[in-house]
Amino acid sequence: DQQVKQNSPSLSVQEGRISILNCDYTNSMFDYFLWYKKYPAEGPTFLISISSIKDKNEDGRFTVFLNKSAKHLSLHIVPSQPGDSAVYFCAGQDAGGTSYGKLTFGQGTILTVHP
Amino acid sequence: NAGVTQTPKFRVLKTGQSMTLLCAQDMNHEYMYWYRQDPGMGLRLIHYSVGEGTTAKGEVPDGYNVSRLKKQNFLLGLESAAPSQTSVYFCASSQTILPGQDHGYTFGSGTRLTVV
Repeated sequence: DQQVKQNSPSLSVQEGRISILNCDYTNSMFDYFLWYKKYPAEGPTFLISISSIKDKNEDGRFTVFLNKSAKHLSLHIVPSQPGDSAVYFCAGQDAGGTSYGKLTFGQGTILTVHP
Repeated sequence: NAGVTQTPKFRVLKTGQSMTLLCAQDMNHEYMYWYRQDPGMGLRLIHYSVGEGTTAKGEVPDGYNVSRLKKQNFLLGLESAAPSQTSVYFCASSQTILPGQDHGYTFGSGTRLTVV
């Protein structure tokens, strides 16, 4: 059972435009959601997170929106830059029981920003 | 400050061979994790550790064993490698049990393993 799904394998946008990456989840025990960015031949790096009690968190060009009733979150990048081209993973943190805060990741979305 | 270091970076194994992947962190993190990344599957948790001397199974533990004899090291072993274990392996560590409240996991740069 895929608890976190990123249904778009890839996204292509023009430099300066908005990039919107989507993520759906099924586990109601997730209390935090995180976005990671991954360049080729490197490990994922933390980008931004949001608590399940909030609906928006912003950090510079990056904003994450959470729609808890729809079990959906999205990452907005405005304006997009060529250096943003990477694989983006969303993840849910399970704070329930003996989950020890483990992160469950989606499949990833490859973002390509064209100059 | 090296963060999380994984060795080796690349390895080719023959079916049935064994090997150990080493993960070392210098941040004094309590929690450590092993993930594998496969196309279309994202990152899946293999095993994890909540402290020195402890290990637990993740989502896809079969065919792997782990040990955490020292706080800074987390070893992932393949006893008898199979082609299905061809993947990129990532180690991660966390300062807190709830990484979402902090800055998430710190990942190593990965080990690309091919089993032929």
